[in-house]
Amino acid sequence: NAGVMQNPRHLVRRRGQEARLRCSPMKGHSHVYWYRQLPEEGLKFMVYLQKENIIDESGMPKERFSAEFPKEGPSILRIQQVVRGDSAAYFCASSQKQGFQPQHFGDGTRLSIL
Amino acid sequence: DQQVKQNSPSLSVQEGRISILNCDYTNSMFDYFLWYKKYPAEGPTFLISISSIKDKNEDGRFTVFLNKSAKHLSLHIVPSQPGDSAVYFCAASNNNDMRFGAGTRLTVKP
Repeated sequence: NAGVMQNPRHLVRRRGQEARLRCSPMKGHSHVYWYRQLPEEGLKFMVYLQKENIIDESGMPKERFSAEFPKEGPSILRIQQVVRGDSAAYFCASSQKQGFQPQHFGDGTRLSIL
Repeated sequence: DQQVKQNSPSLSVQEGRISILNCDYTNSMFDYFLWYKKYPAEGPTFLISISSIKDKNEDGRFTVFLNKSAKHLSLHIVPSQPGDSAVYFCAASNNNDMRFGAGTRLTVKP
């Protein structure tokens, strides 16, 4: 299966801990996008990355959140010192072409903060 | 900021009838529009798209209509099938941005 792979599927953290969410794009895709979905809400764009570059992070909270997409390995969304409000489903998508063209989504990571 | 709005959180339709899902946007810079379908515990799946140079795009049972002057698009599913029951998100994009609506939960009753 060459789809977008996200892990873990479920992640539980206590307040103040760090959360690391991983995303491996589809084979041949070099553009990665992270979205957050809060309960009963749509998908909110967070960040758009290409290999080793952040292209657009306008949707990312200024503090505690960071993302990377290294030359080798998956893209990582990192949330430091998590708070209850970070509880959400985090989806990663990838695309072959530049820009916000049809994207292929992973099945998401559901983050729960105790 | 709600640049893309799906005003109906839910829609229930009888099997075999037409489902019409609506979406409105505010930013006239959007030039590409997409519909995604999402089942529980899965990621959204791309369904159909339309460029702003067109007003209609059809793919099997799915047709997307775009009214640029009204900044409105709709997804028609005909005939609706129980397997179409899912949450449908519309999205509007340009090269620099993509915004999603909050979704409409479609239930197709047998």
